[in-house]
Amino acid sequence: NAGVTQTPKFQVLKTGQSMTLQCAQDMNHEYMSWYRQDPGMGLRLIHYSVGAGITDQGEVPNGYNVSRSTTEDFPLRLLSAAPSQTSVYFCASSYSPSGLRNEQFFGPGTRLTVL
Amino acid sequence: AQTVTQSQPEMSVQEAETVTLSCTYDTSESDYYLFWYKQPPSRQMILVIRQEAYKQQNATENRFSVNFQKAAKSFSLKISDSQLGDAAMYFCAYGEYNTDKLIFGTGTRLQVFP
Repeated sequence: NAGVTQTPKFQVLKTGQSMTLQCAQDMNHEYMSWYRQDPGMGLRLIHYSVGAGITDQGEVPNGYNVSRSTTEDFPLRLLSAAPSQTSVYFCASSYSPSGLRNEQFFGPGTRLTVL
Repeated sequence: AQTVTQSQPEMSVQEAETVTLSCTYDTSESDYYLFWYKQPPSRQMILVIRQEAYKQQNATENRFSVNFQKAAKSFSLKISDSQLGDAAMYFCAYGEYNTDKLIFGTGTRLQVFP
């Protein structure tokens, strides 16, 4: 199993550009989430999904869109990048009926810089 | 809304000694999970230990153990026989029972001196 994969690992954008951060998992997990990590603030939840076709907002959703068309993939879209979105982004997945509840698996992160 | 507070931005410990990292949380729920994650410089999030709120027994994983006080909403991490490889950021996290959402504290940077 590859676990949770994220692409790209690094990205530099200009203000106003759009892009999609990719996240995929091969563990048949139902729950997937996106977090951002800023210095001194821990990780904050952006959006999450409890299954294909179901998404909801987290603590800091503004400026981001998500969709969940398959169990495996959960892309995060930045619609019009702003310097305030400079951060490290983590994707996480959890929960299969045969596994432990709330056993979160994290991807390696994407470092995004918006100039 | 649930909150998680880590009041120690930085801690240090001598190799082979014991250190305790503090965490408090606020929730009105009775079922939830609590976690400690380690983040080394590689930035990979590594699960150190987990605790189910309905279990009174404190979780242990080798040199890592927790002191879970549900009534006080306290969840501290004790690292025994500290090793140089324990140096990292440590995050306390609250997990919602039905959605697996995590709410993180701001982290404690642990330094280990030889």
